[in-house]
Amino acid sequence: NAGVMQNPRHLVRRRGQEARLRCSPMKGHSHVYWYRQLPEEGLKFMVYLQKENIIDESGMPKERFSAEFPKEGPSILRIQQVVRGDSAAYFCASSPPFGTGERSNQPQHFGDGTRLSIL
Amino acid sequence: GENVEQHPSTLSVQEGDSAVIKCTYSDSASNYFPWYKQELGKGPQLIIDIRSNVGEKKDQRIAVTLNKTAKHFSLHITETQPEDSAVYFCAPDLNDYKLSFGAGTTVTVRA
Repeated sequence: NAGVMQNPRHLVRRRGQEARLRCSPMKGHSHVYWYRQLPEEGLKFMVYLQKENIIDESGMPKERFSAEFPKEGPSILRIQQVVRGDSAAYFCASSPPFGTGERSNQPQHFGDGTRLSIL
Repeated sequence: GENVEQHPSTLSVQEGDSAVIKCTYSDSASNYFPWYKQELGKGPQLIIDIRSNVGEKKDQRIAVTLNKTAKHFSLHITETQPEDSAVYFCAPDLNDYKLSFGAGTTVTVRA
């Protein structure tokens, strides 16, 4: 059973270009989360999505960043007009759907991330 | 938001000894308390978690204890091995899905 798959593993962009990061959740998981990690720091929550819905994007910068999780295909984190400060590791996690009446907070399983470098 | 602190920030132990990492948090509404292990170049790996209705949970050499009144929970690793060397993160929940990661503890197990 494959884990969370992220690609590319490494991405280099020049300032002003666009970066697209992809995440395929674990089989059977319908909830996706994106986090950002700067060197020597913990992960910071960015956005939480379910299929075709953004549930919480409170951790996303207001401009240039967007995320989607379409009915078919992987979740995409898109960064437009990248700047040096966008250099970081971006991690995706997934969790199973909640059962009816079930408490949320299903365990989140992470991929190995995309390391984004901006020249 | 949640204020999460981990102590110590670095920990060096002799192989076979125990390692303990403590995590304090500020949000009394937190109900889910996971620990993650991150190796170089990899994503965080969930190693153990506990919910607020339980005080302690054990899985082989790893255990987590929770003191909800004092708002802290700890990771215990017994009989440490070189492959336990990694960065460990606590990540108490801010709500039903948002995890708030600590800054991490770098554990080095000396052979």
